[in-house]
Amino acid sequence: SQTIHQWPATLVQPVGSPLSLECTVEGTSNPNLYWYRQAAGRGLQLLFYSVGIGQISSEVPQNLSASRPQDRQFILSSKKLLLSDSGFYLCAWTAGTSYEQFFGPGTRLTVL
Amino acid sequence: GEDVEQSLFLSVREGDSSVINCTYTDSSSTYLYWYKQEPGAGLQLLTYIFSNMDMKQDQRLTVLLNKKDKHLSLRIADTQTGDSAIYFCAEGEESSASKIIFGSGTRLSIRP
Repeated sequence: SQTIHQWPATLVQPVGSPLSLECTVEGTSNPNLYWYRQAAGRGLQLLFYSVGIGQISSEVPQNLSASRPQDRQFILSSKKLLLSDSGFYLCAWTAGTSYEQFFGPGTRLTVL
Repeated sequence: GEDVEQSLFLSVREGDSSVINCTYTDSSSTYLYWYKQEPGAGLQLLTYIFSNMDMKQDQRLTVLLNKKDKHLSLRIADTQTGDSAIYFCAEGEESSASKIIFGSGTRLSIRP
């Protein structure tokens, strides 16, 4: 069966520090991968998606970047965090044109 | 661009029916979804409907789609305390990227 992991579960970082959030998927190959941010009291905003290794599409201009160094690994990064980067970050995957996205447990990021 | 809108809050009495409404703008949507998010967790797909359907029923859940008005609703019969969560409406197209656009979520609270 397929599983999706996110690490870490929670993170508190100072403004201006770097960020690296990791998402890995097991039990499938060549998934589409997605990063979402859920700000407090708001909905989900699609940040990045990837249909293959090294292929990243950005949905909104921002302080963050994404990379996909391996088929089942998706990384969200920042060189210098802003207060506005605080939120709940969710990774998701889907198989090709499948209608269902499967979500990870999320990482709660607090920038102080 | 695509947009999905839903009301932010809904309060119902335990045992009553809950109806959560959603409107979307993308007429080329292939799938319409309802996801559930429990506190501090990721999203879980509750149900979905293809755009060529009007209604789908799954146990206590009924989804109604008015494609002409671009209106989607989720009815939960016999609402229980365990139904307390945020419910996200979402739309997607059948494509290689399988991107899904989410609404802001409706927080459903159950009162005794």
